[in-house]
Amino acid sequence: GAVVSQHPSRVICKSGTSVKIECRSLDFQATTMFWYRQFPKQSLMLMATSNEGSKATYEQGVEKDKFLINHASLTLSTLTVTSAHPEDSSFYICSARDDGSLSFHSYTFGSGTRLTVV
Amino acid sequence: DAKTTQPPSMDCAEGRAANLPCNHSTISGNEYVYWYRQIHSQGPQYIIHGLKNNETNEMASLIITEDRKSSTLILPHATLRDTAVYYCIVPNQTNFGNEKLTFGTGTRLTIIP
Repeated sequence: GAVVSQHPSRVICKSGTSVKIECRSLDFQATTMFWYRQFPKQSLMLMATSNEGSKATYEQGVEKDKFLINHASLTLSTLTVTSAHPEDSSFYICSARDDGSLSFHSYTFGSGTRLTVV
Repeated sequence: DAKTTQPPSMDCAEGRAANLPCNHSTISGNEYVYWYRQIHSQGPQYIIHGLKNNETNEMASLIITEDRKSSTLILPHATLRDTAVYYCIVPNQTNFGNEKLTFGTGTRLTIIP
């Protein structure tokens, strides 16, 4: 089945530094990928839609200059949390939509990245 | 997205069938119902999807009412590994290219030994 690899699985960084998270579709092409954030005991919140070769679309309230998204190929999207602060500590999850989907969309999720900012 | 309503939590005895309901009364005719689950500290896992007909795969069965306003996910023989949060999602498909999955609060299913 479709596999999405997300790396790293865990990262601890110092406040003020930047962290990059990678999301790769391993066996399918994904023009569109999605980035979610999940706080403890809460549901996944969609942050942005990443489109290959164009600018990402951010959900309301998500700072695009803080959460930089790059989707340079059909199999890779990256999320960079810039100038991270403790309140950015969260579980970040990516999802890729299979370009091969016809009548319905097939979405596969990565295993998530636990970010802790100290 | 069409709004979905799920009970916040359910318990089920190990080995029994787990039936998880979902209401989606505002669903449109061409919108699919997706079910995902999230085991603690992992990414969501696809379970099943359906449009009009009942569906079955190796993980579960999906029963969709004739008016499509509700559905039930059935795990036929629940195991402890099925303990997870289950999400019923109906993404807006009026614009196929811009469809996206947004998550509600889901149902926290606990399988009891």
